[in-house]
Amino acid sequence: GENVEQHPSTLSVQEGDSAVIKCTYSDSASNYFPWYKQELGKGPQLIIDIRSNVGEKKDQRIAVTLNKTAKHFSLHITETQPEDSAVYFCAAKDSNYQLIWGAGTKLIIKP
Amino acid sequence: KAGVTQTPRYLIKTRGQQVTLSCSPISGHRSVSWYQQTPGQGLQFLFEYFSETQRNKGNFPGRFSGRQFSNSRSEMNVSTLELGDSALYLCASSWDRAASYEQYFGPGTRLTVT
Repeated sequence: GENVEQHPSTLSVQEGDSAVIKCTYSDSASNYFPWYKQELGKGPQLIIDIRSNVGEKKDQRIAVTLNKTAKHFSLHITETQPEDSAVYFCAAKDSNYQLIWGAGTKLIIKP
Repeated sequence: KAGVTQTPRYLIKTRGQQVTLSCSPISGHRSVSWYQQTPGQGLQFLFEYFSETQRNKGNFPGRFSGRQFSNSRSEMNVSTLELGDSALYLCASSWDRAASYEQYFGPGTRLTVT
């Protein structure tokens, strides 16, 4: 079945710098890759997603890239701000129509 | 539009007891999924319901069960509670299949088993 690995588990960056979180997946049939952000005491919230017919997608300071050949996708956050501090989860839809989640990355923005 | 609501928000139970958690999805959403979240295991998928039918099930023992009503509201039940069941239980709703559409999560129910 699908397996999603997410790295790093913790990422600390200076405010204003960029942050990159990477995920790899195993099921070559996967075609939907969302990223969720979870703030303390709240449920996860979708921040961006990408489908397999697209290589990159941007939304203001957030972008996601997908490399189908290498089976990995990444979240890029530019000009990080204190409110970006949270846990970020990647996920991939497998051939059984189930979302398989990464273990999460705790992003810390240092002032 | 009201978000996903979960009740209760906090619960303390004793080993061996059973518990029922409730989830009300966003109006118009037909799919409800349940997740268990623990610090060491991240988000673990329990099951997904769509139009009162279980569409998908994660790798959890039969002690974990759920159902969905005609108004899309969903409940999950855990019988014979174990200490390891202590976790945050999240409910998420989506317009259609959870694996292809944005999921909207509730705040979760924090279950503590003593």
